[in-house]
Amino acid sequence: KQEVTQIPAALSVPEGENLVLNCSFTDSAIYNLQWFRQDPGKGLTSLLLIQSSQREQTSGRLNASLDKSSGRSTLYIAASQPGDSATYLCAVPTGANNLFFGTGTRLTVIP
Amino acid sequence: DAGVIQSPRHEVTEMGQEVTLRCKPISGHDYLFWYRQTMMRGLELLIYFNNNVPIDDSGMPEDRFSAKMPNASFSTLKIQPSEPRDSAVYFCASRRSGTGRTGELFFGEGSRLTVL
Repeated sequence: KQEVTQIPAALSVPEGENLVLNCSFTDSAIYNLQWFRQDPGKGLTSLLLIQSSQREQTSGRLNASLDKSSGRSTLYIAASQPGDSATYLCAVPTGANNLFFGTGTRLTVIP
Repeated sequence: DAGVIQSPRHEVTEMGQEVTLRCKPISGHDYLFWYRQTMMRGLELLIYFNNNVPIDDSGMPEDRFSAKMPNASFSTLKIQPSEPRDSAVYFCASRRSGTGRTGELFFGEGSRLTVL
């Protein structure tokens, strides 16, 4: 059974710092991995989707990596800003069409 | 595109009442998902549809929960009778077929349900 773990559960950093969020999964037979952002009281917004054939995917200040063999993905945020404060969730496909979500990392960027 | 639209955004009801949550997926998306999010259990898939047909409802907690998708642009999730433990945020999400970026999942803003 797939398990997705995100550590730490919460993270506070001063503005301008680079940071890394971690996602671990137990079943490496995945065909992609998706990172989402959730603001308080809002739905989830897709940030990046990495195909299993890719090792990295970049969008602006965000860079996500995927290492299937070790069951890990990281989300790198460069030059963090207060607007980056949110909960970040990773998700992997399970079965044909479901996504299994991690419990998320709540990020606070302090001005 | 307007994105996935859910209503109501907030619902407060008393135990035993019927609750109906509504969702309009993004036009052209052939998959629709209903998720529930709680502090204790995180995001859980309740049911999903493909081309308006329910494919997997194994996540529906009990018979009090039912979902329908009468057409490609509308789905409902109904709880009857509601109980306090049903209090949660219910999300609808949709996507196109495909495993690449075309298969990205898009969420609505959720319906926050409180059952007193």
